[in-house]
Amino acid sequence: QSALTQPPSASGSPGQSVTISCTGTSSDVGAYNYVSWYQQHPGKAPKLMIYEVSKRPSGVPDRFSGSKSGNTASLTVSGLQAEDEADYYCSSYAGSNILLVFGAGTKVTVL
Amino acid sequence: EVQLVQSGAEVKKSGESLKISCKGSGYSFTTYWIGWVRQMPGKGLEWMGFIYPGDSDTRYRPSFRGQVTISADKSISTTYLQWSSLKASDTAMYYCVRATSVVTSLHYWGQGTLVTVSS
Repeated sequence: QSALTQPPSASGSPGQSVTISCTGTSSDVGAYNYVSWYQQHPGKAPKLMIYEVSKRPSGVPDRFSGSKSGNTASLTVSGLQAEDEADYYCSSYAGSNILLVFGAGTKVTVL
Repeated sequence: EVQLVQSGAEVKKSGESLKISCKGSGYSFTTYWIGWVRQMPGKGLEWMGFIYPGDSDTRYRPSFRGQVTISADKSISTTYLQWSSLKASDTAMYYCVRATSVVTSLHYWGQGTLVTVSS
């Protein structure tokens, strides 16, 4: 059982937008602005796409955006492209004892 | 450019010991937390533990404490993940990760080391 709740799947057509939710609690997502999102293509290592809720590392397209409201964070991929088809994992800082909690992942399919 | 280069795939038998490695480059090795994330076949991501090479402070996820040992040799910018007695359930991909100066996100990932343990 994962600490953060993500939908198992999401999909959209090329050019459309898809939004993935990540629901935690007042002890993790709701308590800190340290939500991250990772993209993982099959057989590859995960890649950081968003950190600190809405910041993009250098090189990540601005089609990827993050937000948070209360205990739920969201990742939006705008202008879907075929290469966006991947698994996406959210994580949140949960304090100095637990450190990080992850979601179980969402498989994004580009129709 | 920050790089984390991990050692190669391993095939072991239950009860054997194993130590895998991860060499960091392109940044100050002693000033960022570095650690390990497990991904079992077809499953999600679990952090196992982190070490701060500057002072060797080590943090373990409770479920991994006592099961693995994380260490670092700052003279060669390398971190290690070690098992003294492998189990079939240790079969997984293991990723080396570099965190921020506090462990709030995992900015860099190694290529992964596949460990296969047969019973």
